[in-house]
Amino acid sequence: QKEVEQDPGPLSVPEGAIVSLNCTYSNSAFQYFMWYRQYSRKGPELLMYTYSSGNKEDGRFTAQVDKSSKYISLFIRDSQPSDSATYLCAMSLYNQGGKLIFGQGTELSVKP
Amino acid sequence: GAVVSQHPSRVICKSGTSVKIECRSLDFQATTMFWYRQFPKQSLMLMATSNEGSKATYEQGVEKDKFLINHASLTLSTLTVTSAHPEDSSFYICSARVLTGTGVRPQHFGDGTRLSIL
Repeated sequence: QKEVEQDPGPLSVPEGAIVSLNCTYSNSAFQYFMWYRQYSRKGPELLMYTYSSGNKEDGRFTAQVDKSSKYISLFIRDSQPSDSATYLCAMSLYNQGGKLIFGQGTELSVKP
Repeated sequence: GAVVSQHPSRVICKSGTSVKIECRSLDFQATTMFWYRQFPKQSLMLMATSNEGSKATYEQGVEKDKFLINHASLTLSTLTVTSAHPEDSSFYICSARVLTGTGVRPQHFGDGTRLSIL
């Protein structure tokens, strides 16, 4: 079993839809949780980061962490074609020098 | 803020050539930088962790004599692929950690280097 599981998709939605991206993890010691967006042939871009359970909102993006269920989500409201990319969840332990464990990435396509 | 610059973005060279890739943190100091490799349609695979002024820590299965890492300053780390062969062709990405006001240190990534060995 992988430490972090993420549905690879691909996921295709119409413009304006609400998108829900999810990751589950097995190691309850993970403390920090991040979402990255990666466009083709580019490096990952940090979207959201958090270190506690609950919700964190930034514009059209909401990150949700449920440590009791070992489950994190990223919601995208009013999705745009420019949101079409691969979304990677990542998490890390407190004392491991910042090493990130990534999910497999979900490929999202928003159709106009 | 938190911009990481990686150079070059694309390299095409002959088998046996050594290739150096630079990773710079432009507007912050990075005591720790990371090097990843990514194959098409796959997630990032951590190769090594680079700490300024000390030897890099390599992940299991990564040949340290093949992938030389130098982190001589707080803003620059380099990855040299020595005697590169076609199987080394890949997308190499660096990242650097930045301290936020909440104490979290997320990684910020460069735009990657696409290496093709003929």
